[in-house]
Amino acid sequence: DAGVTQSPTHLIKTRGQQVTLRCSPKSGHDTVSWYQQALGQGPQFIFQYYEEEERQRGNFPDRFSGHQFPNYSSELNVNALLLGDSALYLCASTTPGQGSNRRDNEQFFGPGTRLTVL
Amino acid sequence: AQSVAQPEDQVNVAEGNPLTVKCTYSVSGNPYLFWYVQYPNRGLQFLLKYITGDNLVKGSYGFEAEFNKSQTSFHLKKPSALVSDSALYFCAVKGSTLGRLYFGRGTQLTVWP
Repeated sequence: DAGVTQSPTHLIKTRGQQVTLRCSPKSGHDTVSWYQQALGQGPQFIFQYYEEEERQRGNFPDRFSGHQFPNYSSELNVNALLLGDSALYLCASTTPGQGSNRRDNEQFFGPGTRLTVL
Repeated sequence: AQSVAQPEDQVNVAEGNPLTVKCTYSVSGNPYLFWYVQYPNRGLQFLLKYITGDNLVKGSYGFEAEFNKSQTSFHLKKPSALVSDSALYFCAVKGSTLGRLYFGRGTQLTVWP
């Protein structure tokens, strides 16, 4: 049973460019969340997708956008990259519960994509 | 607002000794608490969670955590540390906002032989 997978593993971009990161959830999971982990910090919630819609959003600018596909996989897009966007981007999927809203469901994380902005 | 504090950036312990990694939380409503571990260049691995019931929760790799409502704490413990336990540990809480995790800054655990 494959866990959460993310691609690419590493990415180097320059300021002003745009980037797309990809995530496939664990088999049987239907909810995907994205987190940003800056160096020396805990992960910060970006947004969550369920049924192809953004359901929750953290305190991130509109430059950060996402998408969820019918097969539950997801993309994170970041436009107009800044140096401060350099971080490990983590995708997490959640066991489905009643509408996948159950607060007691743990999230399973992928290995992350290391983004470096020069 | 939901938040988690991990008061120690680093914890050092000798192999075979008990270890404790501290976490305190602040939530509105009932807390849903989690511990995750992160090895270098890896994602987060789930260790254990507290939802309700017994205050002592048992998880993966011999770890356990003690929930204390009066002290709003959820400390991670292990009776006998292994060198392979050396990693970055994160405490997290889910609050009233559905599904979102709020993480602490993390505690680097080093177990020396």
